[in-house]
Amino acid sequence: GQNIDQPTEMTATEGAIVQINCTYQTSGFNGLFWYQQHAGEAPTFLSYNVLDGLEEKGRFSSFLSRSKGYSYLLLKELQMKDSASYLCAVNSGYSTLTFGKGTMLLVSP
Amino acid sequence: GAVVSQHPSWVICKSGTSVKIECRSLDFQATTMFWYRQFPKQSLMLMATSNEGSKATYEQGVEKDKFLINHASLTLSTLTVTSAHPEDSSFYICSARENTGGAQYFGPGTRLTVL
Repeated sequence: GQNIDQPTEMTATEGAIVQINCTYQTSGFNGLFWYQQHAGEAPTFLSYNVLDGLEEKGRFSSFLSRSKGYSYLLLKELQMKDSASYLCAVNSGYSTLTFGKGTMLLVSP
Repeated sequence: GAVVSQHPSWVICKSGTSVKIECRSLDFQATTMFWYRQFPKQSLMLMATSNEGSKATYEQGVEKDKFLINHASLTLSTLTVTSAHPEDSSFYICSARENTGGAQYFGPGTRLTVL
């Protein structure tokens, strides 16, 4: 079966750095995605990792270790607008994505 | 780049009517598109995988006769909710997978309310 785990909630302060972890056990692996979803809106694409290592894109970075079944999303210089749900999703090799339940991040002043 | 549109963005209909939702990839081709449903405060649930030129693949528990999917071209997939009932009220989101890569991009979603 497919199993993706990420924390349910996290809180952080504006300007800080936060790391959202994701662990997965899937029958196959063809890439890991991070999405941001604000309440009432559709998810927006943040990052895609298929090889081990760190992918940096502005204030957001994503890391992948395939041998450990582990990824994290790193958000720097947090802003109030970063308050959202962050979804980890794995492509297990059949094009479809299996989503984690999402991590609700609350950024406070 | 990589923009996916959905239409309509919201719809209210009477119980028993059918509603069609369109999903378009605006600047890339997508042989494969996906339809999701999301209830309040819950994660995305995959309903079906839409393949251009062939039948859709439905997830377990999703009625294919109720949720009709047509992937007419490399940039358009439609989902028709037939004989809608109040329990079908939800947020329906499509995504399109780029033919050239693995990334999936989501449409803005369609909020369906069945009275």
